[in-house]
Amino acid sequence: QVQLQESGPGLVKPSQTLSLTCTVSGGSISSGTYYWSWIRQPAGRGLEWIGRIYASGSTNYNPSLKSRVTISVDTSKNRFSLTLSSVTAADTALYYCARVKMFGVIEYYFDSWGQGTLVAVSS
Amino acid sequence: QSVLTQPPSVSAAPGQRVTISCTGSSSNIGARYDVHWYQQLPGTAPKLLIYGNSNRPSGVPDRFSGSKSGSSASLAITGLQAEDEADYYCQSYDRSLSGSVFGGGTKLTVL
Repeated sequence: QVQLQESGPGLVKPSQTLSLTCTVSGGSISSGTYYWSWIRQPAGRGLEWIGRIYASGSTNYNPSLKSRVTISVDTSKNRFSLTLSSVTAADTALYYCARVKMFGVIEYYFDSWGQGTLVAVSS
Repeated sequence: QSVLTQPPSVSAAPGQRVTISCTGSSSNIGARYDVHWYQQLPGTAPKLLIYGNSNRPSGVPDRFSGSKSGSSASLAITGLQAEDEADYYCQSYDRSLSGSVFGGGTKLTVL
C-alpha cells in the first residue's frame, strides 16, 4: 500500500518561494503506470490541481499557476517536490500530494493522497 | 469559481437516498471525459470514491454509485449513514486547460 507524506515549512513570507516535498513509501516513484501530483485546498474551499510529474521529469501545470510553479522529482530518494514562487496570502492553503492513476490516453484520477500540510503566507 | 459546478450542500435522513450533481461543459464532461468522485471526511484528506464515472475502488460500499449523461454526472448514495457526512468532490479532465479540474464540493449532512 503506497503512502505519501508531505513536508516543508508551514509559514512563508509574502513574495518568497514556497517549497514542499512529498516522500513516497510502499512503492517506487519510478513505477511506469503513475504520475505524481500536487493539489491544494484553501481553508473552507474546494480543491485546486497544481500540476503533475512523471518519473522521467515530464510535467504538466495548471495554466493559472504555471508561471510560478515548478514540480521536480528525485527518483533516488523516491520523492517529488513543489516550488511556488512570489507567494501571496492567496496561496495560503492545505497542500496535498497525490498519486495519479492514468485512465486512458490523457485522463487520470488521484488514487492515493498524503495527509496534507498547511502552508500559511504571512509576514 | 470552479470549472465543474456542484450544489454547495445536500441533506437527507439516515436510510434515505441522496444524489449530488456535477455539471461541466463541452471542454470537459461534455467532451466525453470521465468523471471521478472523492469523499473528504472532516479533517482528513480526500479519498477516491468513484472512478471512470461508475467504478468503485476496492473497499467502497456499493451504496455509492456514479453515473454520467451529457455534460453532467451524478453521485448517488443509498441507505445513508451518519458516517457518510462529508464533503464530496467531482473531478474530470479539461481539454481547454489541458489538465484536471474539480467541482467546488458538496457538503452532505445526514439529518
